[in-house]
Amino acid sequence: AQSVSQHNHHVILSEAASLELGCNYSYGGTVNLFWYVQYPGQHLQLLLKYFSGDPLVKGIKGFEAEFIKSKFSFNLRKPSVQWSDTAEYFCAVAHSGGYNKLIFGAGTRLAVHP
Amino acid sequence: DGGITQSPKYLFRKEGQNVTLSCEQNLNHDAMYWYRQDPGQGLRLIYYSQIVNDFQKGDIAEGYSVSREKKESFPLTVTSAQKNPTAFYLCASSIGTGDASPLHFGNGTRLTVT
Repeated sequence: AQSVSQHNHHVILSEAASLELGCNYSYGGTVNLFWYVQYPGQHLQLLLKYFSGDPLVKGIKGFEAEFIKSKFSFNLRKPSVQWSDTAEYFCAVAHSGGYNKLIFGAGTRLAVHP
Repeated sequence: DGGITQSPKYLFRKEGQNVTLSCEQNLNHDAMYWYRQDPGQGLRLIYYSQIVNDFQKGDIAEGYSVSREKKESFPLTVTSAQKNPTAFYLCASSIGTGDASPLHFGNGTRLTVT
């Protein structure tokens, strides 16, 4: 069965620190990859997505993610976090042509301290 | 503003009772989804619907039922057969079920069954 693994459940950083959240998936076919974010009190929203092409994708608010096919990974990065990045981050995978049936990871709670 | 409305925000029920969670969207989206979120497990797909009067089971459909009589509405009924109904339920929609259709989420309903 397909699965998505997010390595860290809780991450605590100080402002201006660099961020990398790990995401690995288990599926051998062509995949579409997503990162969703849920800010406190808000609904889940799309941060960035990868369908094809350049494996380094850029999203909103300075986030980027790199798809490494050989490692089945899609790690999320940001060079310098801000207090406003405090949120829960979810990695999700859908196999291409799979009617948008996303498999989500367990999520990573990020707390950024001023 | 267009969006997805889930009501109520909090719902309490006694064990053995069926309960229906509401989800309405005014985004004119064809596809709608129900996810369940439990601590440490991410989001799991319960049911999804690609068009009106059609829906398919997701990964954890047992103990749940849905209907899609109108494009805007996709109510979820948690039946007494669901063994662990206490959870946070998220409704989502997308323009279609193709690969380029990001999910738009509601704010969720937290159901507590005692």
